[in-house]
Amino acid sequence: KAGVTQTPRYLIKTRGQQVTLSCSPISGHRSVSWYQQTPGQGLQFLFEYFSETQRNKGNFPGRFSGRQFSNSRSEMNVSTLELGDSALYLCASNEGPETGELFFGEGSRLTVL
Amino acid sequence: AQKITQTQPGMFVQEKEAVTLDCTYDTSDPSYGLFWYKQPSSGEMIFLIYQGSYDQQNATEGRYSLNFQKARKSANLVISASQLGDSAMYFCARRANFGNEKLTFGTGTRLTIIP
Repeated sequence: KAGVTQTPRYLIKTRGQQVTLSCSPISGHRSVSWYQQTPGQGLQFLFEYFSETQRNKGNFPGRFSGRQFSNSRSEMNVSTLELGDSALYLCASNEGPETGELFFGEGSRLTVL
Repeated sequence: AQKITQTQPGMFVQEKEAVTLDCTYDTSDPSYGLFWYKQPSSGEMIFLIYQGSYDQQNATEGRYSLNFQKARKSANLVISASQLGDSAMYFCARRANFGNEKLTFGTGTRLTIIP
């Protein structure tokens, strides 16, 4: 069974641009969540989707958005990039609410210049 | 905010020895889950072990076991017979309540296994 797949793995953008990151969950998993990891703030929750609906959202500005498709794949978008958005963005999936383990992908490492 | 505390920023352990990574947590939720993840330098968060707050027995997965002391709000990870490949960052995390998939992470412990 394939794991959680995130694309792209690495990308470089400049301030003011926007970026879209993609996450394909493990087959059969319907819940997808996103986390931002930075050296200063550690791992912070961005949002969580289940059955194409956002169930939870972290404390991030409106420039951060996401969505989930009917096949459970998810995308997150960051508009008007700032230097502080440079981070490792991690996606996790699990079967759905009420289940135990969350499995993470390898992450998308974003550098904003 | 309900915090996860990992008091050991770094640890050095001799190969083949056992190691205990500490984790304490705050929570007012009656039901919650506790996770441990390993993050090698590649960045991927690798799931190691999960403990539900109502589980009667401590979780075990191969060389990993979780020493869960609910009254003390403690969920220490024990790695037996450490290997060089165990060198990585280790994160403890708590899920806020059952059905809410948000994980709150600790700051992590960098474990280095010495040959």
